Amino acid sequence: QSALTQPASVSGSPGQSITISCTGTSSDVGGYDYVSWHQQHPGKAPKLMIYDVSNRPSGVSNRFSGSKSGDTASLTISGLQAEDEADYYCSSYTSSNSYVFGTGTKVTVL
Amino acid sequence: QVQLQQWGAGLLKPSETLSLTCTVYGGSLSGYYWSWIRQPPGKGLEWVGEIKDSGSTKYNPSLKSRVTISIDTSKNQFSLNLSSVTAADTAVYYCARGGVRSTSAWGQGTLVTVSS
Repeated sequence: QSALTQPASVSGSPGQSITISCTGTSSDVGGYDYVSWHQQHPGKAPKLMIYDVSNRPSGVSNRFSGSKSGDTASLTISGLQAEDEADYYCSSYTSSNSYVFGTGTKVTVL
Repeated sequence: QVQLQQWGAGLLKPSETLSLTCTVYGGSLSGYYWSWIRQPPGKGLEWVGEIKDSGSTKYNPSLKSRVTISIDTSKNQFSLNLSSVTAADTAVYYCARGGVRSTSAWGQGTLVTVSS
């Protein structure tokens, strides 16, 4: 199974909004509402930010939101803060009864 | 608060078997999925597989022939075995509570290096 496609990097100034895309196929992103997003700071374990396309786990800021259209999912971070600088990975359930991660996006706060 | 502590050999030779165990403290294995996810140095995340408390498993198709995940509820542990390792299996391996859709706690990560 091929990794989902994400932009290598996205940047924004504090207070701005940014959007990270995650493109798959009808066999993964487009076929199921089981897209998740994880945040990973350097040297740390990942942290779940969004599950099932648009749901936030308890404790995750409402500045993080998720959506999906066709084979592409998106993570939007609004009111960008310095602490949001990290790597972000999408993931999806697949028709092979497995999961696949995205290639990862480095978010830089200017 | 649940904590996951993982342990296992950090240096292997090609063709050996990788074995890692994750012990769960402060919580039960019951009612959850338990996952293994790896990350090669400087690269992205790769899903290895998961096991439910009942023992049912799902594996990454690209690793399926070499991977086994097991669970021992009496010891509050779950384990990963990956056979016939090569340099491509060098990675930080994480255990986690929950499937990819629901991870809520992670182990500290174990760097496994495969080198002759």
